[in-house]
Amino acid sequence: RKEVEQDPGPFNVPEGATVAFNCTYSNSASQSFFWYRQDCRKEPKLLMSVYSSGNEDGRFTAQLNRASQYISLLIRDSKLSDSATYLCVVNFNNDMRFGAGTRLTVKP
Amino acid sequence: NAGVTQTPKFQVLKTGQSMTLQCAQDMNHEYMSWYRQDPGMGLRLIHYSVGAGITDQGEVPNGYNVSRSTTEDFPLRLLSAAPSQTSVYFCASREGPGSDEQYFGPGTRLTVT
Repeated sequence: RKEVEQDPGPFNVPEGATVAFNCTYSNSASQSFFWYRQDCRKEPKLLMSVYSSGNEDGRFTAQLNRASQYISLLIRDSKLSDSATYLCVVNFNNDMRFGAGTRLTVKP
Repeated sequence: NAGVTQTPKFQVLKTGQSMTLQCAQDMNHEYMSWYRQDPGMGLRLIHYSVGAGITDQGEVPNGYNVSRSTTEDFPLRLLSAAPSQTSVYFCASREGPGSDEQYFGPGTRLTVT
């Protein structure tokens, strides 16, 4: 079983749609959690950290459920520029574990 | 600031050859890491360093060596290249304990024939 699992997609949605990605992790002692964005053939970049209380950054909302070992990312009012692969990342003692990513394509 | 730089961008090796992938950062970050990214598997941690003179193994360290003689540089050495090491390699850095954001270099695409 992979340590961090994501639905690989692809998710193909129209502009303006709301889309949600899920991620589960196996190490219950994991300490911090993130969503990264990766454009095709580029390096990953931090989208947002994920906190137990949930956090929002504009159109993006991230949630963490430690009891269920589950992380989510919600994107509202999708833009064409949101097309990318979204990586779920879980940290335990400086060992960052990445999910394989969920690919999103937003279409006009 | 250049951020995290990696050289070369592309490399083709024959099986058994050795080489060093270079990584440098100019942000005075304590922590540096090397990852490989393969299709369908996400990024996997090879080695990491929490400061000059300190390195540790990640998830997939076999076949790779690292050293951290300065804060700025964190080279990755392939001792005897194998086709299974064909991958995209990313170097990353972050400020230190308690810092969230990792900054990634642009990657090195390595093919071993």
